[in-house]
Amino acid sequence: NAGVTQTPKFQVLKTGQSMTLQCAQDMNHNSMYWYRQDPGMGLRLIYYSASEGTTDKGEVPNGYNVSRLNKREFSLRLESAAPSQTSVYFCASTSEGQGGSYEQYFGPGTRLTVT
Amino acid sequence: GQSLEQPSEVTAVEGAIVQINCTYQTSGFYGLSWYQQHDGGAPTFLSYNALDGLEETGRFSSFLSRSDSYGYLLLQELQMKDSASYFCAVRDPSRGRALTFGSGTRLQVQP
Repeated sequence: NAGVTQTPKFQVLKTGQSMTLQCAQDMNHNSMYWYRQDPGMGLRLIYYSASEGTTDKGEVPNGYNVSRLNKREFSLRLESAAPSQTSVYFCASTSEGQGGSYEQYFGPGTRLTVT
Repeated sequence: GQSLEQPSEVTAVEGAIVQINCTYQTSGFYGLSWYQQHDGGAPTFLSYNALDGLEETGRFSSFLSRSDSYGYLLLQELQMKDSASYFCAVRDPSRGRALTFGSGTRLQVQP
């Protein structure tokens, strides 16, 4: 099992450019998430998908769109990148652990710089 | 809404014991989780407490007091490889199984 995979690992964009971050999981999880992490801070939820075919906004959705392509894949799109979107982006999926722990499995992250 | 507070930094020596505290405010409580993140890496799950008391997993233990909205992570027999950031997190009941994370505690283990 590869777990959660993300591409690309690194990306540099100019202001106004667009790009899509790809995420896939092979653990048959229903729920998937996109978080961003700024230096010295915790993770903030951008969007989530509780099941295939559904997506919902998280805490910081402005400037982003998502697609839950199928059960395995959940992509994040920046339509017009801004320097404020410089961050590390993590994709995650959730198991339903014993006692409802809902352990989240994270991908390796995409380090995005917008100049 | 959800909010969590934890110290920004803790320093300890190899072999020692360190405690990382977390206080939380949440509209609906579904347990407190802890994650570890090494520099440049992804967060990894450490522990979960749904009920009051202490949960032990090897050198790591986690404690919860629901009445005090408080928990802590206890790391024993510290090793250099324990140098990392540690995040407490609670489930956001308005957003499925999504988590709200604290801002993290950076643990530096010194020789």
